[in-house]
Amino acid sequence: DIQMTQSPSSLSASVGDTVTITCRASQGIANYLSWLQQKPGKAPKALIYGASNLQSGVPSKFSGSGSGTDFTLTISGLQPEDFAIYYCLQYHSYPRTFGQGTKVEIK
Amino acid sequence: EVQLVESGGGLVQPGGSLRLSCAASGFTFSDSWMDWVRRAPGKGLEWVANIKPDGSEKSYVDSVKGRFTISRDNSKNSLYLQMNSLRAEDMAVYYCTRSLDNWGQGTLVTVSS
Repeated sequence: DIQMTQSPSSLSASVGDTVTITCRASQGIANYLSWLQQKPGKAPKALIYGASNLQSGVPSKFSGSGSGTDFTLTISGLQPEDFAIYYCLQYHSYPRTFGQGTKVEIK
Repeated sequence: EVQLVESGGGLVQPGGSLRLSCAASGFTFSDSWMDWVRRAPGKGLEWVANIKPDGSEKSYVDSVKGRFTISRDNSKNSLYLQMNSLRAEDMAVYYCTRSLDNWGQGTLVTVSS
């Protein structure tokens, strides 16, 4: 199975900050990577697919990059509604696997 | 608008069975890969299974192989997950997803005696 390792596991940031979350795959996955956001008690929401493509309706404050084994999610200008858990997901191979999640908290 | 509505969750004893359903609308269900994903209490997301649009191919995470069966009825725009021999570690919120892009609100499965 492909292991997905996110860092950091959690971070504290202020409104208006820019934060970056990284995700490393245990083997190459080309660009078969998505990023998702989950708020407490809510369903996950897909933000990015293909490592860098925004899902429809997702604001451009979210951006993704990377290919192969190393990927990043950047959130610019954090707003209160952005405080959530973020997951990376590889869909290159079965079983699909998620990172352990990064909790973005208010400082 | 894509809508996915799960049902069928509940309390079941260890070793018991449960069938989850997902009613889909707002897209061409018969053209879409469908997945089940779960989130156990205090843990992260775990992919469970998926099924090809015509139902001819199915994949599972190892921990549920031989116990869970994913299926679909394209005439009813519905996805299913038959869960047998349930264990405490299967307790989770189960999400129905369209190709991991669109997600339902989830249904809670509690496994406890």
